[in-house]
Amino acid sequence: DAGITQSPRYKITETGRQVTLMCHQTWSHSYMFWYRQDLGHGLRLIYYSAAADITDKGEVPDGYVVSRSKTENFPLTLESATRSQTSVYFCASSESTGGQPQHFGDGTRLSIL
Amino acid sequence: DAKTTQPPSMDCAEGRAANLPCNHSTISGNEYVYWYRQIHSQGPQYIIHGLKNNETNEMASLIITEDRKSSTLILPHATLRDTAVYYCIVRGKGGATNKLIFGTGTLLAVQP
Repeated sequence: DAGITQSPRYKITETGRQVTLMCHQTWSHSYMFWYRQDLGHGLRLIYYSAAADITDKGEVPDGYVVSRSKTENFPLTLESATRSQTSVYFCASSESTGGQPQHFGDGTRLSIL
Repeated sequence: DAKTTQPPSMDCAEGRAANLPCNHSTISGNEYVYWYRQIHSQGPQYIIHGLKNNETNEMASLIITEDRKSSTLILPHATLRDTAVYYCIVRGKGGATNKLIFGTGTLLAVQP
């Protein structure tokens, strides 16, 4: 039971570079989410997806791009990384039926120099 | 989604029950109460959720008051591994309301 996996676990890159964080889930959950966690802000929603090819903005979407061509994958791309995007990124998934909990991956710690 | 209020920190002795309170006085009739926890450097872990009735699973019990304006998460026999930040979240079901809004939570420190 692999569940939800994120890769890489750690990433260091430079400002202006493009970087993609991967998220893969084996439950066939309809919904997938990307959050970032920063000191003093808790977890904030970046983007979410209700199904393949359906995505929507969350609270802090600027500077990020997502896609969902397959149900099980939900990559998050920083097209031109900035230092303010240094953070820990968490992916989550949930079933579509009402009241179902979200299940989180172990996170990607991203540092932008 | 309704706002929640939790104490910033609590202590509990190992082996004793940990009772974590949460106020959600503006909760509406179709909103669930969820509890998650986050152990240092790990992703948030789902614990339990409920709508009106008290709930129990292998991890914890959730007690929701009759007016639904507050709830308590109970860890019956706390261990050192239960030291974590515990988040109480209120949200509706389905669609855009599937997103979770995390507050600052309660840091539970289980003492040996």
